[in-house]
Amino acid sequence: KAGVTQTPRYLIKTRGQQVTLSCSPISGHRSVSWYQQTPGQGLQFLFEYFSETQRNKGNFPGRFSGRQFSNSRSEMNVSTLELGDSALYLCASTQQSNTEAFFGQGTRLTVV
Amino acid sequence: GIQVEQSPPDLILQEGANSTLRCNFSDSVNNLQWFHQNPWGQLINLFYIPSGTKQNGRLSATTVATERYSLLYISSSQTTDSGVYFCAADDYNNNDMRFGAGTRLTVKP
Repeated sequence: KAGVTQTPRYLIKTRGQQVTLSCSPISGHRSVSWYQQTPGQGLQFLFEYFSETQRNKGNFPGRFSGRQFSNSRSEMNVSTLELGDSALYLCASTQQSNTEAFFGQGTRLTVV
Repeated sequence: GIQVEQSPPDLILQEGANSTLRCNFSDSVNNLQWFHQNPWGQLINLFYIPSGTKQNGRLSATTVATERYSLLYISSSQTTDSGVYFCAADDYNNNDMRFGAGTRLTVKP
């Protein structure tokens, strides 16, 4: 069974640009959650999608958005990038809510 | 939301030693997991343990839900055990898993 796949693995963007990250969950998993990891703030929850609906959102500005497709794949978008958005973005897949979560390898975003 | 605290923040051991990592949480949990973050950043599942005790080789974990803590035991530590260990939990009201700040383990040969 394939694991959680995140693309791309590495990304360098310029301030003011936008970026889209992709996450393909484990087959059969319907919930996808996104997290941001930075040295200063640790691992912080961004949002969770289940059956194409955002069910929960963390404390991040509106520049951070996401969506989920009918095949459960999810994308997150960050617009008007700031230097502080440089982070490791991790995606987690669960079969349904509040069950064991499995993480992808992450996308390391650098904003210059 | 639920608050998760881990201790100690840093731990340095000699190879072969045993260690205990602790995770305290502020409310009843629906889900509790332990992860090891590898050098490339991926979170590797160690245990899914909202309650009870589990063992996997040299690692074991115990969660005492009524007292709101979980422990991760590493026996006969090896240099490959080095890295950051995270505890994460979510409660019955939210679908967002909250992470502790992690314990950075260094095992010296």
